[in-house]
Amino acid sequence: KQEVTQIPAALSVPEGENLVLNCSFTDSAIYNLQWFRQDPGKGLTSLLLIQSSQREQTSGRLNASLDKSSGRSTLYIAASQPGDSATYLCAVRPSGSARQLTFGSGTQLTVLP
Amino acid sequence: DAMVIQNPRYQVTQFGKPVTLSCSQTLNHNVMYWYQQKSSQAPKLLFHYYDKDFNNEADTPDNFQSRRPNTSFCFLDIRSPGLGDAAMYLCATSRDFGGRETQYFGPGTRLLVL
Repeated sequence: KQEVTQIPAALSVPEGENLVLNCSFTDSAIYNLQWFRQDPGKGLTSLLLIQSSQREQTSGRLNASLDKSSGRSTLYIAASQPGDSATYLCAVRPSGSARQLTFGSGTQLTVLP
Repeated sequence: DAMVIQNPRYQVTQFGKPVTLSCSQTLNHNVMYWYQQKSSQAPKLLFHYYDKDFNNEADTPDNFQSRRPNTSFCFLDIRSPGLGDAAMYLCATSRDFGGRETQYFGPGTRLLVL
């Protein structure tokens, strides 16, 4: 059974700092990995999706990497801003016909002004 | 704008009183999902529809049912809510591209059971 772990559970950084969020998964047989953002009491917003054949994806100040063989992904946020404060979740979709995503519990990020 | 809409945003019900949550989408996606998310936990998939085909997760309680009358709408029925069913319920959609698709989430419905 796939398990997704995100460490740390919470992180506080001063504004302007570059930071890395970590995600690990136990089964490397995946189709893709997604990073989501969730603001308090809100739904999830997709940030980046990396296919299993890809190594990284970039969108603005965000860069996500994937090392499938080691079961790890990172989300790099450059020049963090207070508006980046949210919970960041990663999710993997297994290879094969199953469509369900397995989520990590998330990292709650606070960027201090 | 194309989007995933959930109503109501907040729902208060009494222990054992049936409740229905709704989700609609203007994305014309063929797959719709219902997730349950409890506080500070990962979203947990309850079931999903691939077109009209219903797919139930093995550990989803029988208390939870779903209907998809057409492509745009999907409903989550909780037949006899218990205190443990208080959670955020998230609806999501995707267009199946053989593993390359992104799931788009609605804002969620927060359910409180008294």
